[in-house]
Amino acid sequence: GENVEQHPSTLSVQEGDSAVIKCTYSDSASNYFPWYKQELGKGPQLIIDIRSNVGEKKDQRIAVTLNKTAKHFSLHITETQPEDSAVYFCAAPITDSWGKLQFGAGTQVVVTP
Amino acid sequence: DTGVSQDPRHKITKRGQNVTFRCDPISEHNRLYWYRQTLGQGPEFLTYFQNEAQLEKSRLLSDRFSAERPKGSFSTLEIQRTEQGDSAMYLCASSLIASTRFYNEQFFGPGTRLTVL
Repeated sequence: GENVEQHPSTLSVQEGDSAVIKCTYSDSASNYFPWYKQELGKGPQLIIDIRSNVGEKKDQRIAVTLNKTAKHFSLHITETQPEDSAVYFCAAPITDSWGKLQFGAGTQVVVTP
Repeated sequence: DTGVSQDPRHKITKRGQNVTFRCDPISEHNRLYWYRQTLGQGPEFLTYFQNEAQLEKSRLLSDRFSAERPKGSFSTLEIQRTEQGDSAMYLCASSLIASTRFYNEQFFGPGTRLTVL
C-alpha cells in the first residue's frame, strides 16, 4: 500500500518569508496529490492539488511541485502571513483501493509577525 | 452553507457507553468517507460508501464500530462499548465519483471530537 512521509514536522517562519513542505510517496501508480490545511478545532481544508500529468501548479501564494521520478511533491507558500499558521497535510491515493487517501503526519507551520 | 456537516461537534462519554455521530455530505456527492484523527497525526481511513453501499472497511474498524448510509445521503457512525482508546476526532469527507472525473477530490467536514472518560 501507499506510504507517505512528510517533512518537516514543524516549521517556523517570519512573516513575509517562504515556507516549503516536502512529501514522498511509495506507490509509483499514484496520480493525484492533494494538500490540506487544518486549523485548530476544524476539519482539513483542501487548498491545492496536483495531477500526475503536470509538474507544477500555482494558486496565488501557494504552489505545488511534483517529481514523479523521485516520487516526491512539495508545497510552497510565498509571502507568508499570520493566517497561514496551521497544520498542513499532504496525501496520496491508495491505488489498490481507489479513493482512499493516505495522509502524511502533518507539518505545524507557525508564522511569526 | 453547502459544505460537509457533522453532528455533534463534541461528545464526552463514559467508557462502555454507545455513541453515534452523523455526517451530511455535500448534496450531489455520491461517495462518503469516515476517517479518524488522533492528536499530532494525519487522518486515518476507516470506511467509505458509494451511494448506500459500504465498499470497504479498514482493519482499524473493530466489531464495535458500525457505519450506515441508508439512503445514500447522510451517514451515521456508531461506536458501541466505547473505550478510552476511541478518543479521537472523527472526520467525514465526501466526493463526487463519475466516469468523467478520474481524480477524487475529498472535502472534509469539521469533525466530531470524542472524549471517552
